[in-house]
Amino acid sequence: EVQLVESGGGLVQPGRSLRLSCTASGFTFGDYAMSWFRQAPGKGLEWVGFIRSKAYGGTTDYGASVKGRFTISRDDSKTIAYLQMNSLKTEDTAVYYCIRGAGANVLRYWGQGTLVTVSS
Amino acid sequence: DIQMTQSPSTLSASVGDRVTITCRASQTISGWLAWYQQKPGKAPKLLIYETSGLDTGVPSRFSGSGSGTEFSLTISSLQPDDFATYYCQQYKTFSGTFGQGTKLEIK
Repeated sequence: EVQLVESGGGLVQPGRSLRLSCTASGFTFGDYAMSWFRQAPGKGLEWVGFIRSKAYGGTTDYGASVKGRFTISRDDSKTIAYLQMNSLKTEDTAVYYCIRGAGANVLRYWGQGTLVTVSS
Repeated sequence: DIQMTQSPSTLSASVGDRVTITCRASQTISGWLAWYQQKPGKAPKLLIYETSGLDTGVPSRFSGSGSGTEFSLTISSLQPDDFATYYCQQYKTFSGTFGQGTKLEIK
């Protein structure tokens, strides 16, 4: 059974950093791209970014609103994907979801989400 | 970037009703369109992929259709468990843009 478990969310002040983790199980992690989407309270779903599998270079792409501030990485040996968030803004407040695959795939497997609140 | 526009934003209906939600893409996405259901506090759940493919375990009262830039999700006979928010998503590009959502409410 595919499982994705996010962790690392919480309350953080504007301008600070936070790192989210997504621990995967039930599939060959290294074979898949991994994505992050987010959902602000009461709003829709926004693409944050994704990381390709090593077979496709392990490269990353990001949405315009987070590019230059957020970094996605992966540790295939630990089956964990990371989302490093720097220079956080109040508008980054959202539930962050880890998803198997890229936005150019059907998004069948989602984590439960982790809430990040950016506030002073 | 491809924009996805859903209508209506809110839909009030009763158990047993037939309802349709529409989704329009700002450019052609061929058939790369999925539909998701989301309940409060939960992650979205995949219902339909590639415009009309029913995901495993999804009841047959859900169906999808369309092509190019115009798509729709139909629920043939609403059940109490169907009251939720529905999102369309294009996956022609890796940004995987979602529509803004349609909240299906009990009338």
